[in-house]
Amino acid sequence: SQQGEEDPQALSIQEGENATMNCSYKTSINNLQWYRQNSGRGLVHLILIRSNEREKHSGRLRVTLDTSKKSSSLLITASRAADTASYFCATDYRSGGSNYKLTFGKGTLLTVNP
Amino acid sequence: DADVTQTPRNRITKTGKRIMLECSQTKGHDRMYWYRQDPGLGLRLIYYSFDVKDINKGEISDGYSVSRQAQAKFSLSLESAIPNQTALYFCATSDTARHPYEQYFGPGTRLTVT
Repeated sequence: SQQGEEDPQALSIQEGENATMNCSYKTSINNLQWYRQNSGRGLVHLILIRSNEREKHSGRLRVTLDTSKKSSSLLITASRAADTASYFCATDYRSGGSNYKLTFGKGTLLTVNP
Repeated sequence: DADVTQTPRNRITKTGKRIMLECSQTKGHDRMYWYRQDPGLGLRLIYYSFDVKDINKGEISDGYSVSRQAQAKFSLSLESAIPNQTALYFCATSDTARHPYEQYFGPGTRLTVT
């Protein structure tokens, strides 16, 4: 079953606006990641936030993590047409040992209109 | 050159045929993964391998088999393809020693079973 669920499923904004996507998950995690997928292509790792971190930045990306609510958000500031893609959250889960397996959500399709 | 390559990139095959998808990586990573992606379902893990001698089933391994021929090569076989195996297949890698949770994806193989 899916560990993470993104919300919304689709988001359409104008260039220059900020885009916020959310991810909820079910069980305790070691960390949470966000990936981007351009149409029909492989996923690209964007950012990882550990369970003991609350916020992390990378360029125009800001990720927050609330372990009490089992949720994360990805904010893309000053969006560009090139940000148009699907965005996935991925969680590992504490199953004991060192599996390093990830569970991906279904993704948010972001469309940035020029 | 791409770090993670997949061949073929597109394949159309008939029900009942055996087909192999291949993945090669030049990243020197020890772990390799096979996922399938279906519209609306996100990515689901088929098999994963921690090293040449270690193969593990993922959440949807039925109807699939894998072979880790070398650290750099991980192939996925469909012994007798069926139409509901039509999907986008991704290979991914990760490096246990440095960033075990971050996965690097190939460009994908679009498989159609008629």
